[in-house]
Amino acid sequence: KAGVTQTPRYLIKTRGQQVTLSCSPISGHRSVSWYQQTPGQGLQFLFEYFSETQRNKGNFPGRFSGRQFSNSRSEMNVSTLELGDSALYLCASSPAPGLKSSYEQYFGPGTRLTVT
Amino acid sequence: GESVGLHLPTLSVQEGDNSIINCAYSNSASDYFIWYKQESGKGPQFIIDIRSNMDKRQGQRVTVLLNKTVKHLSLQIAATQPGDSAVYFCAENRPNDYKLSFGAGTTVTVRA
Repeated sequence: KAGVTQTPRYLIKTRGQQVTLSCSPISGHRSVSWYQQTPGQGLQFLFEYFSETQRNKGNFPGRFSGRQFSNSRSEMNVSTLELGDSALYLCASSPAPGLKSSYEQYFGPGTRLTVT
Repeated sequence: GESVGLHLPTLSVQEGDNSIINCAYSNSASDYFIWYKQESGKGPQFIIDIRSNMDKRQGQRVTVLLNKTVKHLSLQIAATQPGDSAVYFCAENRPNDYKLSFGAGTTVTVRA
């Protein structure tokens, strides 16, 4: 079974621009989450989607947004990029159908975003 | 093997020895825990998980121990190999929270 795929793998943008990152979950997984990873802050939760609905959102400014499509693929968008947005953006998918006691997540390779 | 009770950001281990990586989790309501391994340039890789109704779970060369009384989680790696060099993260999940909260990570370096 193919793993989580993320595109693009690397991206360089300029301050003030916007960016869209894409994630395709493992086949059959309906939950997709996004995390930001930086050396200083570690892995920080951005948001989670299930059946095209955002179920949880982390403590990030409104410039960070996301969506999920009917085929479970997800995109996240960052508008008005700042230098501090430079990070590895990780997508994870989970088979979790909803309310259950385990919530295993499988990560993609990430998109390395550099803002100059 | 090397064993410490506190979380350390780095751990150096002799090849063939056993490794123990510690993690303190923050929320007593968390009922599910995962250990991930992240190699340079890659996303975190799922190693092993454990639910709060268990205190020990074994996988291939790895064992996870959970002590809910002190909110402590550990990952034991038997016969550490060079390929085990990576950053290891613990993550916790609360019921219906739909997210994982990650620890700071421990960088494991295996000495030949």
